[in-house]
Formats: sequence, structure tokens, C-alpha cells
Amino acid sequence: DIQLTQSPSFLSASVGDRVTITCRASQGISSSLAWYQQKPGKAPNLLIYAASTLQSGVPSRFSGSGSGTEFTLTISSLQPEDFATYYCQQLNSYVPITFGQGTRLETK
Amino acid sequence: QVQLVESGGGVVQPGRSLRLSCAASGFTFSSHGMYWVRQAPGKGLEWVAVIWYDGSNKYYADSVKGRFTISRDNSKNTLYLQMSSLRAEDTAVYYCARVVGTASIPYYFDYWGPGTLVTVSS
Repeated sequence: DIQLTQSPSFLSASVGDRVTITCRASQGISSSLAWYQQKPGKAPNLLIYAASTLQSGVPSRFSGSGSGTEFTLTISSLQPEDFATYYCQQLNSYVPITFGQGTRLETK
Repeated sequence: QVQLVESGGGVVQPGRSLRLSCAASGFTFSSHGMYWVRQAPGKGLEWVAVIWYDGSNKYYADSVKGRFTISRDNSKNTLYLQMSSLRAEDTAVYYCARVVGTASIPYYFDYWGPGTLVTVSS
């Protein structure tokens, strides 16, 4: 199975900061990667798919890049509502789907 | 608008069974593959099972294979997860999610239900 490793696992930042989260795959997955945001007690929400395509309705301060084994999610200017946990997900095939372990973004 | 709503969660003793449902609305349910994904308390996301749009293919995570069964009734716009021989480690919030993709490649999960909590405890 393809493993995904996110870094960092925890990130402290302030409103207005630029933050970057990295997701590394254990083998190449082309651009078959999505990013989700999850707030406490809520379901994950799709932000980015195909590594860099912004989901409709998602603010443009979110962006994704990468291909192969290394991917990044960048928030250009943190807003108060962005403090949450972020997960990457590989979709190289229907089975198995795997997620990164998550990155918890907290206010400094 | 697209809606997915899970139900059927609760407290169950180890070794017992439980059936979860996911009611879909606002889209053509029979055109989409569906996943169950779970999240143990304070932990990350784990895929559990997937079913093709027409029910022709079903796959399971190793952790639930032989104990859980995914199914769907396209006439009722409903997805199911029959869980048996439940263990403490199955305790989690269970989400159903709609997948968008081609016949062979998934692209993303664009809609998720709010989840239903299953607690396995004596």
C-alpha cells in the first residue's frame, strides 16, 4: 500500500502568516492527490484535487502543488477560520485509498 | 443540494453486529461509487469499504475484511454498512462519502455525511 507522510504534524501560526504543509508518498502517484480540511466534530471538506486544482467555492488563498512523491498545500495568508486539521489523500486507484496522518494547524 | 446523512450508530457490545445507513439526496445516487471512511477518537482517517456505482464491485480494508459488508439500494438512494463481530478498535465516527472519478481512477471525495458514532464497549 502507498503510505503518505505529512509534515509537520503540528503547526503554530498567526493570522496573516503564509503556511506550507508537505505530503510525501512512499511511491509515485503522479498527480493523484487531494487535500481536505477538517474542523472538530465535522466531516472533512475537499480543498484541492489532482494535486493543484482548487475545488469550487474554496478561497484562492489555498493552493496545492507537486507530483510524483512530494506535494504541498499552501495557505497564502491565514484567516481565523483556517485553524483546523489538514489531511492529504492519495487516489492512485480505488483500492486502497490512503490518507496522511494529518497536520493540526493551531493559533500561535 | 447534495446531502448524505448517516444513521444507525450507537453503543454495542464486542462481538455484536450493527448496520449503518447513509441516505443520499440531491444527486443521481446510482451514478456514483461510494465509500465508508472511519475516524477513531482523536485519530486520522481510514478507508473502510468501497462499492461501485452499480454494486458490481466491493472492496474492504484488511482491518474489516470478513466482518463488514458494504451494499447499496439504488432504488432507495441508500448505502449500507453491515458490521459484525465488532471489536473495541472499531470504535469510530463512520462517514459515507461520494467519490468522483472514472471507471478505473478516482479523483476525489466531494461530499461527506456528518458521520455517525459507533462505540464498541461492554
